[in-house]
Amino acid sequence: KAGVTQTPRYLIKTRGQQVTLSCSPISGHRSVSWYQQTPGQGLQFLFEYFSETQRNKGNFPGRFSGRQFSNSRSEMNVSTLELGDSALYLCASSLGLGRYEQYFGPGTRLTVT
Amino acid sequence: DAKTTQPTSMDCAEGRAANLPCNHSTISGNEYVYWYRQIHSQGPQYIIHGLKNNETNEMASLIITEDRKSSTLILPHATLRDTAVYYCIVRTDFGNEKLTFGTGTRLTIIP
Repeated sequence: KAGVTQTPRYLIKTRGQQVTLSCSPISGHRSVSWYQQTPGQGLQFLFEYFSETQRNKGNFPGRFSGRQFSNSRSEMNVSTLELGDSALYLCASSLGLGRYEQYFGPGTRLTVT
Repeated sequence: DAKTTQPTSMDCAEGRAANLPCNHSTISGNEYVYWYRQIHSQGPQYIIHGLKNNETNEMASLIITEDRKSSTLILPHATLRDTAVYYCIVRTDFGNEKLTFGTGTRLTIIP
């Protein structure tokens, strides 16, 4: 069974631009979560989607948004990029909400210049 | 905030058992203990989880104390590929509980 895939793997953007990252979960998984990882803040939860609905949200500004499609694939968008948004963005999928283990993708490395 | 306390770093000789401790003194009755690890530049990898009984799978064993205030992850025969940051996380089985990663333990396997 294929793992979680994320595209693109690497991205360079300029301040003020916007970016869309994509995540394809493991087949059969219906929950997708997004995390941001930086050297200073570590791994921080962004949001979780299940059945096309956002079920949980972390403490990030409204510039960070996401959505989930009917096939469980998910996208996250960051508008008006700031230098501090440079990070590894990780997507994780699980069978559902609750105490299911999460399987992480390789991440998208975003650099904002 | 993370609900767990872990040592910042540990070393273990290759081939020996690596025992990674975790304190979760404020754990509640419906919270599970999860372990993940992150090898450099990769996404975190699920290892094991448990509620109160000891658990074992093909990767590791999880020993939870009777009062559930602490636990130990055991990698029985550590290899160089086990060098990673190990995260101990507690969470409920409710649908809206997110995974909160702390700073973890950086485990280095010494040849």
